[in-house]
Amino acid sequence: EAQVTQNPRYLITVTGKKLTVTCSQNMNHEYMSWYRQDPGLGLRQIYYSMNVEVTDKGDVPEGYKVSRKEKRNFPLILESPSPNQTSLYFCASSPYLGEKLFFGSGTQLSVL
Amino acid sequence: GNSVTQMEGPVTLSEEAFLTINCTYTATGYPSLFWYVQYPGEGLQLLLKATKADDKGSNKGFEATYRKETTSFHLEKGSVQVSDSAVYFCALTNTGNQFYFGTGTSLTVIP
Repeated sequence: EAQVTQNPRYLITVTGKKLTVTCSQNMNHEYMSWYRQDPGLGLRQIYYSMNVEVTDKGDVPEGYKVSRKEKRNFPLILESPSPNQTSLYFCASSPYLGEKLFFGSGTQLSVL
Repeated sequence: GNSVTQMEGPVTLSEEAFLTINCTYTATGYPSLFWYVQYPGEGLQLLLKATKADDKGSNKGFEATYRKETTSFHLEKGSVQVSDSAVYFCALTNTGNQFYFGTGTSLTVIP
């Protein structure tokens, strides 16, 4: 089944403890991106990647890192999480630029 | 810059009522426009899209027309069902690599 898989689904952590949210797609998509969803703000783009080893910042990249070493994987790294990064995170992929996005099921992160 | 403005929710309708969710945008050039739907506990799914002025996107009884003169992409459905209860997001992309989403409109349809 074609899908975007994020893990974990729920994560509770403490301030400053490094964490990684994984994202993997099995559709051979070139493009992948990360979003955070907050009440009243909708979805905001964190980072995106147009291909292996090519990443760029979205609207809200501060406090996040990404890597794209393989085409299928695009992990989101929080080196030192803070409470203002408590949010619902979505990974998405697309076969090429401007085409529809396929979203994962989301990761609900709480930073205490 | 690029941005999307959606009507505030939540919206509550009775089954078979007519639905309109307003969406206006600000963008340079000629963006592609999308409506995504999010069901509880799930990720977003594409509902419909339009890539140029006067295009009409349609799917599952939903329609939206790309109006460049009014910079709008309003979502409509003639007769909503309980199963349409979800959060709806309007979105645009100009370059294909950066997407801009509205704040979302929650729809509840009551029997």
